[in-house]
Order: sequence, then structure tokens, then C-alpha cells
Amino acid sequence: AQSVTQLDSHVSVSEGTPVLLRCNYSSSYSPSLFWYVQHPNKGLQLLLKYTSAATLVKGINGFEAEFKKSETSFHLTKPSAHMSDAAEYFCVVGGGGNKLTFGTGTQLKVEL
Amino acid sequence: GAVVSQHPSWVICKSGTSVKIECRSLDFQATTMFWYRQFPKQSLMLMATSNEGSKATYEQGVEKDKFLINHASLTLSTLTVTSAHPEDSSFYICSARGGGAGEQFFGPGTRLTVL
Repeated sequence: AQSVTQLDSHVSVSEGTPVLLRCNYSSSYSPSLFWYVQHPNKGLQLLLKYTSAATLVKGINGFEAEFKKSETSFHLTKPSAHMSDAAEYFCVVGGGGNKLTFGTGTQLKVEL
Repeated sequence: GAVVSQHPSWVICKSGTSVKIECRSLDFQATTMFWYRQFPKQSLMLMATSNEGSKATYEQGVEKDKFLINHASLTLSTLTVTSAHPEDSSFYICSARGGGAGEQFFGPGTRLTVL
């Protein structure tokens, strides 16, 4: 069984400040972990993925995430937020049969 | 990246009617397609997995006779909501994957409203 918990349903930051979106997971397997972004009326886009290689994963648009097994966490960060980063972000765990289990999402708001 | 389209992007129908949603992989062959449902302010829930030329595999609690899935070609899968009721109103999202355990590419979703 696998599950994922996104600790914040909404996060608000000022443009140019760091972003932290938190995610904890539970998995019976050695997990694959993903972060997806969903802009309004657009399909889900893969930001980055962890598949048991380097624990610090770099993704697109300056995002990165660190896999911490001891904390069962996979938090998403970005050093400096941009207005275009405003969107819904989903933490996802992949398991057997390539089935994806989605978190409930975090709405990121970026203010001037 | 690969592009997946869905049609229609939104649909309104009367209770008791059936609605068909198409999912197409535009620039790659999708051996596997997935259908998800997303309620407002909630996460995506996997409904079923379909492999081209095979019957779909439904997740527990999903009525296969209500949500008919057809994956007749490597670029097209359809989801038909039969005898739709207001509780079927939701956002339906498909994804497509090429061979092996590659990345899933997601469509933009279809918003279904049943009156």
C-alpha cells in the first residue's frame, strides 16, 4: 500500500522569496516519487521525479526536491518564486504496476 | 514533451444520458492509458487502466458497467459515462504512456456537469 500527504493545502509567498511545498509519503516498496504542476485549464506537467538515484533531484523551472528516507519526506523547493509559478502542485508516489497515487494538492499563490 | 488531448474540454448533459470523452496521444503511441477522476479541491483518483486491445482494469469501487472504457488504437481511448447522474459530475483526466515504465503524459481534462 502507498499513500502521500501534502501538509499544506495553500501556500502563499511573495515574488522573489523561497518556496517550500511539503510532502510525506508511505510506501511498502522502494518508492518512485514525483511532483506535478497543474495550471488552470492545462494538463498536469511533470516537474521532477525520484527513482532511487541521487537524493537531491533537480527539475524544470528551478524546482528541486530532496528525498529523505528517514523522514519519509519529499519536499519541493525553489529559491526564488516567480509569478508564473502560481498553480496547483501534486506530490505523487508510484508503486507496483506503475500505479500513481496523488496527494491532495497544494495551491501556490505568488504575490507581488 | 509528448502531447495528450481530450475532447470535449467540458460537457453538460441531462441526467440519464450517456457521455463519451476521448483521449488522444498526438505524437506518440500509447500502449497504456489511464483514466482519473478529480473532485473539487481533491486529489486525482485512478479509475481504470487500459492497454491497447485489451479490456480495462478497473480500480476497486469503480463500476465498470457505468464507466465504459475502450482503447481500440494506440492513439485513442474513450471513456463513456452511461446513464449519467448528478453525482457523476466531476473533472475527468486521462494520461497516456508509451511502452515500458515510461512517464505518463496527462491530458488537460474534461469537466462533466450532469443536470
